[in-house]
Amino acid sequence: QKEVEQNSGPLSVPEGAIASLNCTYSDRGSQSFFWYRQYSGKSPELIMFIYSNGDKEDGRFTAQLNKASQYVSLLIRDSQPSDSATYLCAVQYNFNKFYFGSGTKLNVKP
Amino acid sequence: NAGVTQTPKFQVLKTGQSMTLQCAQDMNHNSMYWYRQDPGMGLRLIYYSASEGTTDKGEVPNGYNVSRLNKREFSLRLESAAPSQTSVYFCASSESMGDYGYTFGSGTRLTVV
Repeated sequence: QKEVEQNSGPLSVPEGAIASLNCTYSDRGSQSFFWYRQYSGKSPELIMFIYSNGDKEDGRFTAQLNKASQYVSLLIRDSQPSDSATYLCAVQYNFNKFYFGSGTKLNVKP
Repeated sequence: NAGVTQTPKFQVLKTGQSMTLQCAQDMNHNSMYWYRQDPGMGLRLIYYSASEGTTDKGEVPNGYNVSRLNKREFSLRLESAAPSQTSVYFCASSESMGDYGYTFGSGTRLTVV
């Protein structure tokens, strides 16, 4: 059973703070890692993906991957109320097959 | 560009009824997918089509069938709906076998009574 675990939250942070979202996965053979944002009642939208150990930055977002410890995280700098959403972690185990976590709900308070 | 278009957006079925969910993408993607999303369980793959002419089962295929009509369209059929199939259904597409992530449709909220 492939597992992707996320804390369901809610994670509450004040506006302007750094939000840190974490995800762990069970299969060491995992190849690619994705973060999606999902607003209530809407479909998931891709934020970023990471393949290699280390950090990858895109604007206010940074994805961090540690394959030895089997976790991937998403940092959101200068959090805004518009960042309030559920964040889904997805792990690709082989081609065409992804497993999603159940998501972490983020609340950014003005 | 419309991206991935799903119809209908909402549907209520009685137990035992059948229906087809339609999905079309205009991004020239090779791969298409059907997922269901249930509270607390995340997205689960029902079926996927790696390329035109092929379909494969995902994690939860029982009670569903699919058709890859052409490169653009991928439909999901419920032959005899059950209350356990009450869920939100998302169609998605990708290039390069998902290596760069998915583009999702807007979803279909299905209730089976």
